[in-house]
Amino acid sequence: EIVLTQSPTTMAASPGEKVTLTCLASSSVNYMYWYQQKSSASPKLLIYYTSSLASGVPDRFSGSGSGTSYSLTISSMEAEDAAIYYCLQLTSTPPTFGSGTKLEIK
Amino acid sequence: VQLVESGGGLVQPGKSLKLSCSASGFTFSSYGMHWIRQAPGKGLDWVAYISSSSGTVYADAVKGRFTISRDNAKNTLYLQLNSLKSEDTAIYYCARRGGRGVMDAWGQGASVTVSS
Repeated sequence: EIVLTQSPTTMAASPGEKVTLTCLASSSVNYMYWYQQKSSASPKLLIYYTSSLASGVPDRFSGSGSGTSYSLTISSMEAEDAAIYYCLQLTSTPPTFGSGTKLEIK
Repeated sequence: VQLVESGGGLVQPGKSLKLSCSASGFTFSSYGMHWIRQAPGKGLDWVAYISSSSGTVYADAVKGRFTISRDNAKNTLYLQLNSLKSEDTAIYYCARRGGRGVMDAWGQGASVTVSS
């Protein structure tokens, strides 16, 4: 099973600040996917195929990476971006999620 | 696209429960479907997948205890949970496998608590 390690575990950012979240895979994966989960809501797809923005997602979100190292970047933090972010790999079965990064607003 | 889970509740260890996920707004029979769970205060944990042709895959932690199935005539996905353990306590989400191969739509979740 591919293990995804996200960092940092928790962080806080000021409005307007650039934020970068990291996801490292224990083995090479073809693509990375990113989800946002607020409070008790269900997860929302943000990024698919490593760098493609899901429908309705603001363009301040972007994804990049390859092989075993991937990142999610928010170009300018907004209060509504406070949430937990999860990465997901679908290259091998079982699909696995990272343990999440909790992003708070300062 | 709408997915609505039901059937959750409080159940004793060793007992069974059946979750349902009612789908609408898309051609249910054409899509693979997942169950994913989230233990209290924890991250996301994939449970099972059923393809549009009803092929199934399970996480090792639930293999032999849980069964995923679907009824395309009723636009409904199911998860039969048997021999429940305390560690199965979680919110259970159904999710659609979208055209890009990723879970692109999720239900609101059904809460399962396993406790005596």
